[in-house]
Amino acid sequence: GNSVTQMEGPVTLSEEAFLTINCTYTATGYPSLFWYVQYPGEGLQLLLKATKADDKGSNKGFEATYRKETTSFHLEKGSVQVSDSAVYFCALRNTDKLIFGTGTRLQVFP
Amino acid sequence: AAGVIQSPRHLIKEKRETATLKCYPIPRHDTVYWYQQGPGQDPQFLISFYEKMQSDKGSIPDRFSAQQFSDYHSELNMSSLELGDSALYFCASSLSVGQGAGNTIYFGEGSWLTVV
Repeated sequence: GNSVTQMEGPVTLSEEAFLTINCTYTATGYPSLFWYVQYPGEGLQLLLKATKADDKGSNKGFEATYRKETTSFHLEKGSVQVSDSAVYFCALRNTDKLIFGTGTRLQVFP
Repeated sequence: AAGVIQSPRHLIKEKRETATLKCYPIPRHDTVYWYQQGPGQDPQFLISFYEKMQSDKGSIPDRFSAQQFSDYHSELNMSSLELGDSALYFCASSLSVGQGAGNTIYFGEGSWLTVV
């Protein structure tokens, strides 16, 4: 079946540090891959997406590349800010619905 | 741009009561989803509708039901509420996967349900 595995959090970083949040997936066919972000007390917002192998999604300094050979979609940012503190969810869409990973909490300190 | 609208944003109910959540999808989106997110958990898929017909069903309790109306808004009805139903309930909408799995699924801000 389809599933998403994310690295466990929390991830704690100092401002301007480099961020990587690992995400791997299992899916039949060719899913589309997404990263959603949930700020404290808020809903889910799309951060970025990639729809086919080798695509790179990017937004607000975050990037993720769809790697079919390693079934991965790792999220990276070169220099995090305190305002990036949130929970990040990796997700795939193969059939109609989104399947989420368990989420990774990021805490950035000044 | 119009987003997914959910109401109410917060509600408090007692055990064994009934609650109804409403969702207004983004115009021209043909698919609506309901998700449940418990504290510290990832969103769990409950049910979806494509063109007003139920299209998929996930881990939705029998005490819950949902429908989509002719104006495309959707309602999630929850009866015999239990303490464990306390969660954030998201509605989302998109174009169906038939029009591309890469189409983004947009989420509303969620409805916080507290059962006491």
